[in-house]
Formats: sequence, structure tokens, C-alpha cells
Amino acid sequence: EAGVAQSPRYKIIEKRQSVAFWCNPISGHATLYWYQQILGQGPKLLIQFQNNGVVDDSQLPKDRFSAERLKGVDSTLKIQPAKLEDSAVYLCASSPSTETQYFGPGTRLLVL
Amino acid sequence: AQKVTQAQTEISVVEKEDVTLDCVYETRDTTYYLFWYKQPPSGELVFLIRRNSFDEQNEISGRYSWNFQKSTSSFNFTITASQVVDSAVYFCALSEETSYDKVIFGPGTSLSVIP
Repeated sequence: EAGVAQSPRYKIIEKRQSVAFWCNPISGHATLYWYQQILGQGPKLLIQFQNNGVVDDSQLPKDRFSAERLKGVDSTLKIQPAKLEDSAVYLCASSPSTETQYFGPGTRLLVL
Repeated sequence: AQKVTQAQTEISVVEKEDVTLDCVYETRDTTYYLFWYKQPPSGELVFLIRRNSFDEQNEISGRYSWNFQKSTSSFNFTITASQVVDSAVYFCALSEETSYDKVIFGPGTSLSVIP
């Protein structure tokens, strides 16, 4: 069974630029999550989708971050404009329902 | 409010030594889930175990074992006869009945196994 796919794996941008990350969850998993993991910390949930609807986006900085999950499968997370403090690893995870979350390899973002 | 504490920031052991990673959690719910994840240098979080709050039986999986004690709100993880491949950051995590899907992670413990 294929795991959670994410791209790109690495991204370097300058502050105030825009960036987008893509995630393809495990086939059949209804729930998709985006996490932000700052160096030396545990992952922090940004947004959770159930199919193509948002379940929880309480910790998403909505002035600059946006996410969508069209057709309830793939998802895109966008940052516009990026700030230095957005440098982190962005992790995507999926789960069948209220079960264990399976994580992708992450996208390492560096904002200069 | 839910909270996960991993007091050990970094641990170094020599190969073949046993090592225990501590996890203390806080929750007001009576029904909750506890998790351990491993994050090797490659960055991908690997699921290790999930326990619900009603199952206090200790679990053993090969060289890994978990000790769940509700009386002390702890869910400790022991690696027996550690190997270099065990070097990683280990995260303890918690989700509550009221929000099963929302997982709160601890800050992680970085384990280095020295050959």
C-alpha cells in the first residue's frame, strides 16, 4: 500500500514570497491533516479535513495560510506571504477515520 | 486542557543498553488515546503504538515495551538492547474523547545510540 506522498521535499524562498505544498493521502483515507513542525518541537496541527470539508482550522494563521482539499483526495497548503518564522517542516497525515494517523515525509521550508 | 510532557530533551546511550523514554500527560477526559511516534533523521513520523485509556496492560513488541500507568498519568517507552537504528526523535502524543482526531504531541526526546 502506498504511503502519504508530499511534494516538494525541500523549498527555499525569500520572505514575502508565496509557496505551495501538495499532499496525496493514502487511498481511501477520509481524513487529512496538515501539521507544522518547527525545529526542536513536536508537530502542531494546522488544519484537518474530513473528505473535502474543514473539521478544525483553529490554529491556522488565516491571514497568510490557506488550504484546500478538492474532491476529497489531494490537498494543497499555501503560504502567502511567507515570514521568517514560517521556516519549518510541513507534515501531511491521513487516517481512515478516528484511527491512527499516517504521516508523509514532510516538506522542509526555509524562509530567508 | 490536554498536555503532553517529555522531560528528557536528549538521551545518549551506548549500543545494547536499555533506555526508557518518559511521557507524562494531562487530560480531563476519562476516555483518551495515547501514542508513540518515531521520527528518524529522514523526517517521516512512524507510528509505534496506540493505547486507549481503558487498557492499562503493558505491551511488548520485540525490543520495545510500553508501561501505561493511569495513577501517575504516564506512558513510558522502553527500548531493550538498543541499536544504532533506534537513533531518532520519539514523540508521545494524546487525543481526547471529545476530539479523537486531534492529536497533541509532546516536544519529543532525541535518542542517540552510540556504537
